[in-house]
Amino acid sequence: QSVLTQPPSVSGAPGQRVTISCTGSSSNIGAGYDVHWYQQLPGTAPKLLIYGNSNRPSGVPDRFSGSKSGTSASLAITGLQAEDEADYYCQSYDSSLSDSVFGGGTQLTVL
Amino acid sequence: EVQLLESGGGLVQPGGSLRLSCAASGFTFSSYAMSWVRQAPGKGLEWVSDISAGGGSTYYADSVKGRFTVSRDNSKNTLYLQMNSLRAEDTAVYYCAKEITIFGVTTPLNDYWGQGTLVTVSS
Repeated sequence: QSVLTQPPSVSGAPGQRVTISCTGSSSNIGAGYDVHWYQQLPGTAPKLLIYGNSNRPSGVPDRFSGSKSGTSASLAITGLQAEDEADYYCQSYDSSLSDSVFGGGTQLTVL
Repeated sequence: EVQLLESGGGLVQPGGSLRLSCAASGFTFSSYAMSWVRQAPGKGLEWVSDISAGGGSTYYADSVKGRFTVSRDNSKNTLYLQMNSLRAEDTAVYYCAKEITIFGVTTPLNDYWGQGTLVTVSS
């Protein structure tokens, strides 16, 4: 059971918008710790997608955006493309565990 | 270009030991904290361990505390993970990742990842 809860799967048609939630608690996201998002394409290593809740590293398309509110964070992908089909993970810090923590991951299927 | 290359994975019996290495290049290795993150087959990411830039501070997940030891040799630009008393549940791909902190961002992040090395614990 992950400290950060993500939906196991989401799907959308090409061109559509999808969102992936990451729900935490008062000891992690709700405590003010920022959230990062990683994309893991099939058979590859994770890649940093969003950092500090809403910032995109250089090279990440602006179709990807992030937000945070209260004890949750969200990743939004607009203009869905086949190449976006991947697993997405949120990451934060938990003060009760004194550990970095990941969400359980969300598999995105492009229909 | 930042490169992280893990090695040392393989098949080991329960109770056995293994040492993973991660060779770093393309950045000033001694200036950055490093992480180990693992992924069991078909499962999600699990943070395993962190080590500070100088190696003086180390951190572990409860699941590996007392069994795993992280270390680094900054003269060789190499990160290590010594894994003892291995269990079946330690079976996973182990990734090393460069860690950065950004002013104004409260949580460290991993901006570069290696390709991973598979550790299989089985008799």
